[in-house]
Amino acid sequence: EAGVAQSPRYKIIEKRQSVAFWCNPISGHATLYWYQQILGQGPKLLIQFQNNGVVDDSQLPKDRFSAERLKGVDSTLKIQPAKLEDSAVYLCASSLIVGEAFFGQGTRLTVV
Amino acid sequence: AQSVTQLGSHVSVSEGALVLLRCNYSSSVPPYLFWYVQYPNQGLQLLLKYTTGATLVKGINGFEAEFKKSETSFHLTKPSAHMSDAAEYFCAVSVDANAGGTSYGKLTFGQGTILTVHP
Repeated sequence: EAGVAQSPRYKIIEKRQSVAFWCNPISGHATLYWYQQILGQGPKLLIQFQNNGVVDDSQLPKDRFSAERLKGVDSTLKIQPAKLEDSAVYLCASSLIVGEAFFGQGTRLTVV
Repeated sequence: AQSVTQLGSHVSVSEGALVLLRCNYSSSVPPYLFWYVQYPNQGLQLLLKYTTGATLVKGINGFEAEFKKSETSFHLTKPSAHMSDAAEYFCAVSVDANAGGTSYGKLTFGQGTILTVHP
């Protein structure tokens, strides 16, 4: 079974630029998560999808972050414009059963 | 609302010694509890989970955890540490908003505990 695929693995951008991350979850997994993991901290949930719908986006900075899930499968997370404090690893995960999330390797974003 | 507190951001043990990583949770409804492990430059991997039933749960690589409702705790243990156990460990909590494991509550993580194993 293929795992959760994320791209790119690494990205370096200047502040005020825009960036997009892509995630392909495990086939058949209805729930998709995007987490932000700042160095030395636990993952913070940005947004959670159930199929096409948003379950929780309470911690998503909506003035600069946006996310969509296309046809209940792939998802993209966008930041525009980026700030220095957005430097982090962005993790995508999917699940079929409550809480049993399968994670991708993440995208390490550095904003300079 | 739900939250997780991991006591101790760093734990250091000798190879062969007992591993104990502490986790306390807060949840307004019966929780589902998880431990995940993260190796450098990798995503998180599920170690074990508690949903209902037996309060002592066993996971991969010899780890186990016990759900204690009265103490709101879910500590992770391993009788004998190996060098390969060195990693960061995260406790997490979720809820099943509807019965049957089909409704997905938010999955909330603690701050993590870095485990170092000395030879």
